[in-house]
Amino acid sequence: QVQLVESGGGFVKPGGSLRLSCAASGFTFSDYYMSWIRQAPGKGLEWVSYISTSANTILYAPSMKGRFTISRDNAKNTLYLQMNNLRADDTAVYYCARWGPFDYWGQGTLVTVSS
Amino acid sequence: QSVLTQPPSVYAASGQKVTISCSGSSSNTGNYYVSWYQQFPGTTPKLLIYDDYKRPSGIPDRISGSKSGTSATLGITGLQTGDEADYYCGAWDGSLNAYVFGSGTKVTVL
Repeated sequence: QVQLVESGGGFVKPGGSLRLSCAASGFTFSDYYMSWIRQAPGKGLEWVSYISTSANTILYAPSMKGRFTISRDNAKNTLYLQMNNLRADDTAVYYCARWGPFDYWGQGTLVTVSS
Repeated sequence: QSVLTQPPSVYAASGQKVTISCSGSSSNTGNYYVSWYQQFPGTTPKLLIYDDYKRPSGIPDRISGSKSGTSATLGITGLQTGDEADYYCGAWDGSLNAYVFGSGTKVTVL
């Protein structure tokens, strides 16, 4: 069955960096666009970014453009999110999801940005 | 402030029907497909409706989706206590070049 497993979350100080990973299995990863979505504590869902099958098309939410970088390794069936210059308002659970519509989601990984 | 507007909460008695609205604009719901997601506290969101009205495999037909103009609606009939959750609509926004979600609606079964 389809599985998406995120990792890499944790505690980081403002201005710091983190790299999230999402290991995919149970489907042909290279055939699907993938996305990151986040949810701040007690808040709603916020789309972060998506990446096309061969990484030719990449889009970001305006508030994350320039600080976050999405990438993928189809040989490793893995999606990544490099997050730089993190701010307190980036604190959230970060989910990876299969794009269009978001039919499968990972369990999420918590990123906490605090001094 | 979400681009897509949903009521913060809706209430209905067990066995009754509840509807959740999702209001957008021509930049999003008016010209792009709407999806709906269900989320229980502390769990991962689940896709309920895609392409305005289609149900993924395993979603019961008491769950329905519709759209008229720039407003979409999620309907749940035969309401059960197990339906108490947060529900989010989402759609692509061609002006923002971003996917946008509604602010979410909490369903409470009286």
